[in-house]
Amino acid sequence: AQTVTQSQPEMSVQEAETVTLSCTYDTSESDYYLFWYKQPPSRQMILVIRQEAYKQQNATENRFSVNFQKAAKSFSLKISDSQLGDAAMYFCAYRRTGANSKLTFGKGITLSVRP
Amino acid sequence: GAVVSQHPSRVICKSGTSVKIECRSLDFQATTMFWYRQFPKQSLMLMATSNEGSKATYEQGVEKDKFLINHASLTLSTLTVTSAHPEDSSFYICSARGQGAYNEQFFGPGTRLTVL
Repeated sequence: AQTVTQSQPEMSVQEAETVTLSCTYDTSESDYYLFWYKQPPSRQMILVIRQEAYKQQNATENRFSVNFQKAAKSFSLKISDSQLGDAAMYFCAYRRTGANSKLTFGKGITLSVRP
Repeated sequence: GAVVSQHPSRVICKSGTSVKIECRSLDFQATTMFWYRQFPKQSLMLMATSNEGSKATYEQGVEKDKFLINHASLTLSTLTVTSAHPEDSSFYICSARGQGAYNEQFFGPGTRLTVL
C-alpha cells in the first residue's frame, strides 16, 4: 500500500523568507502523481502544485516549487518570499495513475508566517 | 472552471435525526466523487468513492448503512448521515473528478456537522 509521510507537524517562517516542507512516500508503482494541497483556515482545499512522476523536471508555480527526487521517494515543497496568506495546513498527496485511483494524503503540516 | 459546491456549509441537528449533504460539480461532469471526513488539525480521511450510476465503495471501517452515498448524476452526489450521534460531528468534504482536462480531484468547501 502506498504511504505518504510528513514528519514535521509544524513549521514557522518569517515573512519574505523561504521555507521548505518535507514529504516522503512509498510506492511500488513507476508512474504516479504527487501533489501539494493547501488548506487555509477556511478549510477549502486548494491545489498548490502537481508533479507527474515520469517528468524529471521539477514543477513550479510562481513562488512555489518542488524538489522531486524519485529514487529517494522524496517530494518537498519550497515556498519563496513567504506571505502572510501562505499560513495554512499543507498536505502532501500521492495518486497512482488509473481511472479508479484515489489520493493518499500525508498527515499535514501547519505552517505559520511571522510578520 | 472546476468548481465544486457543497450544501449546507454547516448544519446542526439533534441526535437520532438524519442529515443530507449535497455535493455538486458546477462546470464539469464528475465521473467519480469522493467523500472525506476531517477532524481538527488532522488529515482527510477517505470515507467512500462513488462512480456515477454505481454503488459507492466504502473504506474499511466506514459503516455504509450509516453513511449513505448516492451518485445519481454526473453533477450531483449526496451523503446522508443516518441516525446521527454526537460522535458523527465532524467536517465533511466532497471531491469530484472528471475526465480530460478535469481528470483531477477538485474539492468542495466542506460541511461542518454538529450533532447535539
